[in-house]
Amino acid sequence: GNSVTQMEGPVTLSEEAFLTINCTYTATGYPSLFWYVQYPGEGLQLLLKATKADDKGSNKGFEATYRKETTSFHLEKGSVQVSDSAVYFCALSEGGGADGLTFGKGTHLIIQP
Amino acid sequence: DAGITQSPRHKVTETGTPVTLRCHQTENHRYMYWYRQDPGHGLRLIHYSYGVKDTDKGEVSDGYSVSRSKTEDFLLTLESATSSQTSVYFCAISESNSARTGELFFGEGSRLTVL
Repeated sequence: GNSVTQMEGPVTLSEEAFLTINCTYTATGYPSLFWYVQYPGEGLQLLLKATKADDKGSNKGFEATYRKETTSFHLEKGSVQVSDSAVYFCALSEGGGADGLTFGKGTHLIIQP
Repeated sequence: DAGITQSPRHKVTETGTPVTLRCHQTENHRYMYWYRQDPGHGLRLIHYSYGVKDTDKGEVSDGYSVSRSKTEDFLLTLESATSSQTSVYFCAISESNSARTGELFFGEGSRLTVL
């Protein structure tokens, strides 16, 4: 079956540091890949996505590139801010909307001023 | 923002009692989902619906049932709550025209504590 593996953290960084959160996946087909973010006390919201190999998703300074050869979708940001503190979830979908997404366990990111 | 309302937002109950969580959407989206979120497990799919009266089981469906009698409402029922069902429950919806991309819109969650 499908699965997503990501570092759980917590990951603690200083403001303006470079961020990488690793995500690798296992899927039977050619999934779409997603990063969702959950701010304290809120539900998840889509951060970025990529639907085919070599696509790069980007939003709010975050980027991730769909690497089929390494089955990875690592999240990066060049300079993090305190407001980026949240839990980040990597997820995949095989494309059929009926059965939703398969999520990783989430990575708790803490940015210190 | 997608119009998704979950109720109740917080509930404390005792083992063995029935509990129903409600998800209400104003978007007329076809697909609706219930997930539970637990530390160390991320989000796991409980049940989902692909239309009125059309539902199916997810990864962790044991002990849960669902019903969807109207497009806008998706109910999650714990017939006899257990302490292992203490969790935060999230409802999500998907637009029919983007269901194949898998993008979901989430409610704010319902925190359930079973004593």
